[in-house]
Amino acid sequence: EVHLLGSGGGLVQPGGSLRLSCAASGFTFSSYAMSWVRQAPGKGLEWVSSIDDSGDITSYGDSVKGRFTISRDNSKNTLYLQMNSLRAEDTAVYYCAKKRGAPHYFDYWGQGTLVTVSS
Amino acid sequence: DIQMTQSPSTLSASVGDRVTITCRASQSISKWLAWYQQKPGKAPKLLIYKASSLENGVPSRCSGSGSGTEFTLTISNLQPDDFATYHCQQYNSNPWTFGLGTKLEI
Repeated sequence: EVHLLGSGGGLVQPGGSLRLSCAASGFTFSSYAMSWVRQAPGKGLEWVSSIDDSGDITSYGDSVKGRFTISRDNSKNTLYLQMNSLRAEDTAVYYCAKKRGAPHYFDYWGQGTLVTVSS
Repeated sequence: DIQMTQSPSTLSASVGDRVTITCRASQSISKWLAWYQQKPGKAPKLLIYKASSLENGVPSRCSGSGSGTEFTLTISNLQPDDFATYHCQQYNSNPWTFGLGTKLEI
Protein backbone atom coordinates (compact mmCIF):
# COMPACT_ATOMS: atom_id res chain seq x y z
CA GLU A 1 0.00 0.00 0.00
CA VAL A 2 1.32 3.44 -0.94
CA HIS A 3 2.11 5.75 1.96
CA LEU A 4 3.37 9.32 1.79
CA LEU A 5 4.18 10.89 5.14
CA GLY A 6 4.85 14.61 5.08
CA SER A 7 6.64 16.45 7.87
CA GLY A 8 8.56 19.62 8.65
CA GLY A 9 5.77 22.17 8.70
CA GLY A 10 5.35 24.77 11.41
CA LEU A 11 5.25 28.44 12.25
CA VAL A 12 7.91 30.62 10.65
CA GLN A 13 8.39 34.38 10.41
CA PRO A 14 8.20 36.21 7.08
CA GLY A 15 11.54 35.96 5.33
CA GLY A 16 12.37 32.72 7.10
CA SER A 17 13.09 29.25 5.79
CA LEU A 18 11.67 25.78 6.28
CA ARG A 19 12.38 22.35 4.79
CA LEU A 20 9.56 19.91 4.22
CA SER A 21 10.10 16.18 3.88
CA CYS A 22 7.92 13.42 2.48
CA ALA A 23 8.79 9.82 3.31
CA ALA A 24 7.50 7.36 0.74
CA SER A 25 6.77 3.66 1.08
CA GLY A 26 4.78 0.93 -0.65
CA PHE A 27 6.12 1.58 -4.15
CA THR A 28 9.43 1.88 -6.01
CA PHE A 29 10.09 5.54 -5.19
CA SER A 30 12.95 5.92 -7.65
CA SER A 31 10.67 5.05 -10.58
CA TYR A 32 8.19 7.87 -10.17
CA ALA A 33 8.08 11.62 -10.56
CA MET A 34 6.84 13.47 -7.50
CA SER A 35 5.28 16.83 -6.74
CA TRP A 36 4.29 19.28 -4.05
CA VAL A 37 0.81 20.80 -4.11
CA ARG A 38 -0.46 23.31 -1.56
CA GLN A 39 -3.81 24.51 -0.31
CA ALA A 40 -4.21 27.82 1.49
CA PRO A 41 -6.85 27.87 4.25
CA GLY A 42 -10.31 27.68 2.68
CA LYS A 43 -8.87 27.87 -0.85
CA GLY A 44 -8.31 25.62 -3.83
CA LEU A 45 -5.33 23.48 -4.72
CA GLU A 46 -2.19 25.02 -6.23
CA TRP A 47 0.62 23.05 -7.85
CA VAL A 48 3.97 24.13 -6.41
CA SER A 49 6.75 22.02 -7.86
CA SER A 50 7.62 18.73 -9.54
CA ILE A 51 10.71 16.56 -9.93
CA ASP A 52 11.35 13.64 -12.27
CA ASP A 53 12.22 10.15 -11.09
CA SER A 54 15.99 10.67 -11.17
CA GLY A 55 15.97 14.17 -9.70
CA ASP A 56 17.49 15.72 -12.81
CA ILE A 57 14.49 17.71 -14.04
CA THR A 58 12.54 20.11 -11.85
CA SER A 59 9.79 22.65 -12.44
CA TYR A 60 8.14 25.32 -10.32
CA GLY A 61 5.06 27.46 -10.21
CA ASP A 62 5.66 31.17 -10.82
CA SER A 63 4.67 32.08 -7.26
CA VAL A 64 7.57 30.09 -5.76
CA LYS A 65 10.19 30.15 -8.52
CA GLY A 66 13.56 31.32 -7.18
CA ARG A 67 12.51 30.81 -3.55
CA PHE A 68 11.67 27.09 -3.29
CA THR A 69 13.83 24.11 -4.26
CA ILE A 70 12.54 20.58 -4.74
CA SER A 71 14.87 17.61 -4.38
CA ARG A 72 14.81 13.91 -3.62
CA ASP A 73 17.01 11.22 -2.12
CA ASN A 74 16.12 7.94 -3.78
CA SER A 75 18.35 6.01 -1.37
CA LYS A 76 16.13 7.25 1.48
CA ASN A 77 12.81 7.20 -0.42
CA THR A 78 12.32 10.82 0.56
CA LEU A 79 11.15 13.96 -1.22
CA TYR A 80 12.08 17.44 0.00
CA LEU A 81 10.97 21.02 -0.44
CA GLN A 82 13.34 23.73 0.72
CA MET A 83 11.38 26.95 1.19
CA ASN A 84 13.26 30.23 1.54
CA SER A 85 12.17 33.88 1.75
CA LEU A 86 8.78 32.80 3.00
CA ARG A 87 5.82 35.15 2.71
CA ALA A 88 2.44 35.29 4.41
CA GLU A 89 0.83 34.08 1.18
CA ASP A 90 2.83 30.84 1.41
CA THR A 91 0.70 29.85 4.39
CA ALA A 92 -0.96 26.58 3.39
CA VAL A 93 -1.15 22.86 3.88
CA TYR A 94 1.55 21.32 1.69
CA TYR A 95 0.86 17.91 0.18
CA CYS A 96 3.38 15.66 -1.47
CA ALA A 97 1.91 13.71 -4.35
CA LYS A 98 3.03 10.79 -6.47
CA LYS A 99 2.69 11.19 -10.21
CA ARG A 100 1.54 8.52 -12.65
CA GLY A 101 0.87 8.24 -16.35
CA ALA A 102 2.07 10.22 -19.34
CA PRO A 103 1.35 13.03 -19.13
CA HIS A 104 1.38 12.82 -15.37
CA TYR A 105 -1.48 13.20 -12.92
CA PHE A 106 -1.45 12.68 -9.14
CA ASP A 107 -2.54 9.22 -8.03
CA TYR A 108 -1.56 9.30 -4.34
CA TRP A 109 -1.29 12.19 -1.92
CA GLY A 110 0.32 12.50 1.50
CA GLN A 111 -1.65 13.67 4.51
CA GLY A 112 -0.29 17.21 4.32
CA THR A 113 1.83 19.37 6.56
CA LEU A 114 0.80 22.88 7.63
CA VAL A 115 3.11 25.82 7.05
CA THR A 116 2.16 29.10 8.72
CA VAL A 117 4.09 32.25 7.87
CA SER A 118 3.39 34.95 10.40
CA SER A 119 5.15 37.35 12.71
CA ASP B 1 -1.62 29.42 -17.85
CA ILE B 2 -4.75 27.36 -18.43
CA GLN B 3 -7.63 28.48 -16.22
CA MET B 4 -10.02 25.85 -14.91
CA THR B 5 -13.55 26.96 -14.03
CA GLN B 6 -15.77 24.67 -12.00
CA SER B 7 -19.49 25.02 -11.53
CA PRO B 8 -21.37 25.11 -9.34
CA SER B 9 -19.20 26.11 -6.39
CA THR B 10 -21.72 24.54 -4.02
CA LEU B 11 -24.24 21.83 -4.74
CA SER B 12 -26.99 20.67 -2.40
CA ALA B 13 -28.32 17.16 -2.88
CA SER B 14 -29.80 14.19 -1.07
CA VAL B 15 -28.89 10.56 -0.67
CA GLY B 16 -29.97 8.70 -3.79
CA ASP B 17 -29.75 11.75 -6.08
CA ARG B 18 -27.73 12.04 -9.27
CA VAL B 19 -25.49 15.10 -9.58
CA THR B 20 -23.29 16.59 -12.26
CA ILE B 21 -20.32 18.92 -11.79
CA THR B 22 -18.87 20.84 -14.74
CA CYS B 23 -15.29 21.90 -15.36
CA ARG B 24 -14.30 24.20 -18.23
CA ALA B 25 -10.78 24.87 -19.44
CA SER B 26 -9.72 28.22 -20.89
CA GLN B 27 -8.17 26.38 -23.85
CA SER B 28 -8.23 22.85 -25.18
CA ILE B 29 -6.65 20.24 -22.91
CA SER B 30 -7.64 17.24 -25.06
CA LYS B 31 -8.58 14.56 -22.53
CA TRP B 32 -5.94 15.37 -19.93
CA LEU B 33 -8.23 16.03 -16.99
CA ALA B 34 -8.42 14.46 -13.54
CA TRP B 35 -11.06 14.64 -10.82
CA TYR B 36 -10.30 14.38 -7.10
CA GLN B 37 -12.47 14.03 -4.01
CA GLN B 38 -11.43 15.77 -0.80
CA LYS B 39 -12.96 15.50 2.64
CA PRO B 40 -12.34 18.09 5.39
CA GLY B 41 -8.87 17.83 6.84
CA LYS B 42 -7.88 15.07 4.44
CA ALA B 43 -5.76 14.77 1.33
CA PRO B 44 -7.37 14.67 -2.11
CA LYS B 45 -8.17 11.25 -3.54
CA LEU B 46 -7.98 10.46 -7.26
CA LEU B 47 -11.35 9.48 -8.77
CA ILE B 48 -11.03 9.90 -12.53
CA TYR B 49 -8.09 10.41 -14.92
CA LYS B 50 -7.90 10.99 -18.67
CA ALA B 51 -11.34 12.57 -18.40
CA SER B 52 -13.26 9.30 -18.16
CA SER B 53 -11.02 6.55 -16.75
CA LEU B 54 -12.14 5.36 -13.34
CA GLU B 55 -9.38 4.88 -10.78
CA ASN B 56 -9.19 1.40 -9.22
CA GLY B 57 -11.47 1.05 -6.22
CA VAL B 58 -13.68 4.03 -7.09
CA PRO B 59 -17.37 3.09 -7.28
CA SER B 60 -18.86 2.81 -10.75
CA ARG B 61 -21.50 5.30 -9.62
CA CYS B 62 -18.86 7.90 -10.51
CA SER B 63 -18.23 8.71 -14.13
CA GLY B 64 -16.44 11.36 -16.13
CA SER B 65 -16.86 12.63 -19.65
CA GLY B 66 -15.74 15.37 -22.00
CA SER B 67 -12.80 16.48 -24.09
CA GLY B 68 -11.32 19.70 -25.33
CA THR B 69 -12.59 22.41 -23.00
CA GLU B 70 -15.70 21.01 -21.32
CA PHE B 71 -15.85 18.13 -18.86
CA THR B 72 -18.32 16.68 -16.40
CA LEU B 73 -18.21 14.50 -13.32
CA THR B 74 -21.42 12.62 -12.60
CA ILE B 75 -22.21 10.75 -9.41
CA SER B 76 -25.38 8.70 -9.35
CA ASN B 77 -27.24 7.21 -6.40
CA LEU B 78 -25.46 9.52 -3.95
CA GLN B 79 -24.26 7.88 -0.75
CA PRO B 80 -23.41 9.60 2.55
CA ASP B 81 -19.70 9.04 1.84
CA ASP B 82 -19.96 11.12 -1.36
CA PHE B 83 -20.56 14.41 0.43
CA ALA B 84 -17.21 16.15 -0.01
CA THR B 85 -15.43 18.71 -2.18
CA TYR B 86 -14.53 17.80 -5.76
CA HIS B 87 -11.63 19.33 -7.70
CA CYS B 88 -10.80 19.13 -11.37
CA GLN B 89 -7.22 19.44 -12.63
CA GLN B 90 -5.70 19.78 -16.08
CA TYR B 91 -2.41 18.07 -16.82
CA ASN B 92 -2.15 18.99 -20.49
CA SER B 93 0.48 21.65 -19.89
CA ASN B 94 2.69 23.11 -17.20
CA PRO B 95 1.72 24.73 -14.88
CA TRP B 96 -0.79 22.08 -13.83
CA THR B 97 -3.87 23.94 -12.67
CA PHE B 98 -6.94 23.14 -10.61
CA GLY B 99 -10.48 24.40 -10.45
CA LEU B 100 -11.61 26.12 -7.25
CA GLY B 101 -13.63 23.11 -6.18
CA THR B 102 -17.28 22.13 -5.84
CA LYS B 103 -18.61 21.42 -2.37
CA LEU B 104 -21.30 18.75 -2.44
CA GLU B 105 -23.47 19.07 0.63
CA ILE B 106 -26.67 17.62 1.97
